Amino acid sequence: EVQLVESGGGLVQPGGSLRLSCAASGFTFSSYTMHWVRQAPGKGLEWVSSITGSSNAIYYADSVKGRFTVSRDNAKNSLYLQMNSLRAEDTAVYYCARGYSSVWYFMGHWGQGILVTVSS
Amino acid sequence: EIVLTQSPGTLSLSPGERATLSCRASQSINSIYLAWYQQKPGQAPRLLIQGASSRATGVPDRFSGSGSGTDFTLSISRLEPEDFAVYYCQHFGSSLWTFGQGTKVEIK
Repeated sequence: EVQLVESGGGLVQPGGSLRLSCAASGFTFSSYTMHWVRQAPGKGLEWVSSITGSSNAIYYADSVKGRFTVSRDNAKNSLYLQMNSLRAEDTAVYYCARGYSSVWYFMGHWGQGILVTVSS
Repeated sequence: EIVLTQSPGTLSLSPGERATLSCRASQSINSIYLAWYQQKPGQAPRLLIQGASSRATGVPDRFSGSGSGTDFTLSISRLEPEDFAVYYCQHFGSSLWTFGQGTKVEIK
């Protein structure tokens, strides 16, 4: 069974940093593109970042480019999102998601999400 | 950047009725890069339809997707109680992923 478990969320002050982790199990992690998607309270879904299985292609939304860094450790079956220079508008539930089989650009499995609150 | 506009914002229907949700792209897109997701309160989204019309694994056949160019539709043939949720369309293109703003299907 595919499982994705996010951790590392919490309350952080504006301008601060936070590192999210996503522990994956139940599949060959290195074979799949992974994604981060966020959802501000009461709002819709917003794509944040994606990284291919071998990390040879990385993508960011304009809203986080230059502040967030996605990475993965295939030996540890883990996905990360380093978030720097956080702003109030980064407050959201952050989901990690796995590509859908060979259709890597869709999100076929999702974690339960982790809340990040940016506030003083 | 492609903008996806979903309508209506809210759809009020009764169980057993048919639901028709619209997703319009700001310019013509390749349908293979269009997906639909369902999200229930307090839960993560779930992939329903990929490639505009192919149901994801385990999705009941009462869900169907159609469309091409700029206009796409998600249909639910007969609403079950568990189908009342928010639905999002999504597009991938030019190394960007975009979501529509969502359509809430609520019980009338």
